[in-house]
Amino acid sequence: DTGVSQDPRHKITKRGQNVTFRCDPISEHNRLYWYRQTLGQGPEFLTYFQNEAQLEKSRLLSDRFSAERPKGSFSTLEIQRTEQGDSAMYLCASSLVGGLQFFGPGTRLTVL
Amino acid sequence: DAKTTQPTSMDCAEGRAANLPCNHSTISGNEYVYWYRQIHSQGPQYIIHGLKNNETNEMASLIITEDRKSSTLILPHATLRDTAVYYCIDLGGGTSYGKLTFGQGTILTVHP
Repeated sequence: DTGVSQDPRHKITKRGQNVTFRCDPISEHNRLYWYRQTLGQGPEFLTYFQNEAQLEKSRLLSDRFSAERPKGSFSTLEIQRTEQGDSAMYLCASSLVGGLQFFGPGTRLTVL
Repeated sequence: DAKTTQPTSMDCAEGRAANLPCNHSTISGNEYVYWYRQIHSQGPQYIIHGLKNNETNEMASLIITEDRKSSTLILPHATLRDTAVYYCIDLGGGTSYGKLTFGQGTILTVHP
């Protein structure tokens, strides 16, 4: 257990539905990252926050995806109008600025 | 895209040393070499990192060649629990550590 938690651990949804995932970082960490991992591939960066500010977004983060970190603590990742191609493991990591990234266990999304 | 290259898979006998190579053909002077691993269905786990010198911690040793174009992660006495995907990553130094760019990694299988 790294101290980073994610909820839910598994989500099954139907195509076209909206889903929201939550990440709780290690409490003193001011950076929070989201990654996506499809089967057989390494994790791919989606976005990251420093405190409340979203500092970088990947081109993978289409307009159906939105991430927030309203109080600089937990973060949510929402996917609207899910597609089968969104099926993946969504990983969250946190760190101090300049520090190591610690990963949560991930949320596995299956879109039917 | 990942900047490092690794063999797709390797095998190792339990109790023997596992030596995992990585090529860093485009590493720049201020980039560190990081190694993470991912055990099935878990988030990536930090192992070790270094800049120029060889490093050792309780998990592994890291050997970096003088020209920094290649590195080797050494697990001195591999156990069955070391079966995982191992990723080497070049990451910029300074105070602006950002996203980790994972490749496909090396699948290490430790067998009895």
